[in-house]
Amino acid sequence: GEDVEQSLFLSVREGDSSVINCTYTDSSSTYLYWYKQEPGAGLQLLTYIFSNMDMKQDQRLTVLLNKKDKHLSLRIADTQTGDSAIYFCAERRDDKIIFGKGTRLHILP
Amino acid sequence: KAGVTQTPRYLIKTRGQQVTLSCSPISGHRSVSWYQQTPGQGLQFLFEYFSETQRNKGNFPGRFSGRQFSNSRSEMNVSTLELGDSALYLCASSFGGPYNEQFFGPGTRLTVL
Repeated sequence: GEDVEQSLFLSVREGDSSVINCTYTDSSSTYLYWYKQEPGAGLQLLTYIFSNMDMKQDQRLTVLLNKKDKHLSLRIADTQTGDSAIYFCAERRDDKIIFGKGTRLHILP
Repeated sequence: KAGVTQTPRYLIKTRGQQVTLSCSPISGHRSVSWYQQTPGQGLQFLFEYFSETQRNKGNFPGRFSGRQFSNSRSEMNVSTLELGDSALYLCASSFGGPYNEQFFGPGTRLTVL
């Protein structure tokens, strides 16, 4: 398909881990990204991973990449209320960045 | 250093009018990209300007145009507005290399009545 796919909603209890999944389209994409968008704000780059990596960890964030299945995931450990936002998966394709439609992460008390 | 700024933050127009949005990139950044964000379509790439030249273009009609000035500031123009043009318009700036991080502005919320 043409689109970067991700589920639209995810609810997680505060303190649990959140896992947001994404399927991208181009096996030759060199960079894959996770962006965060809080209400009324633009996008903030959270992390990115090169296509020759399987995993990248950055504090509470862990990115897993399965190139064979073109699957990318973002794990947020110890989810906090401040993590409530929309998370966008994106791939670099043909010198453009193609975004998924975003996953809205809702934190339950 | 100052982030990407966009003006105005909110805009209300009527069908048939035209609108110009402005984006000031981070100092030193030469690339400015524009995106349209809607609930239905998500984030869609409009175009990218680098050193006053359009370097890349998405799949939008010719009513959407842009330009970049010598100081890297960019404007986006939409003519003959349609209801479906209501969206959040985001601009992002970077140094311009293929893998340079893009920094996004807060966006301009355009409502077409």
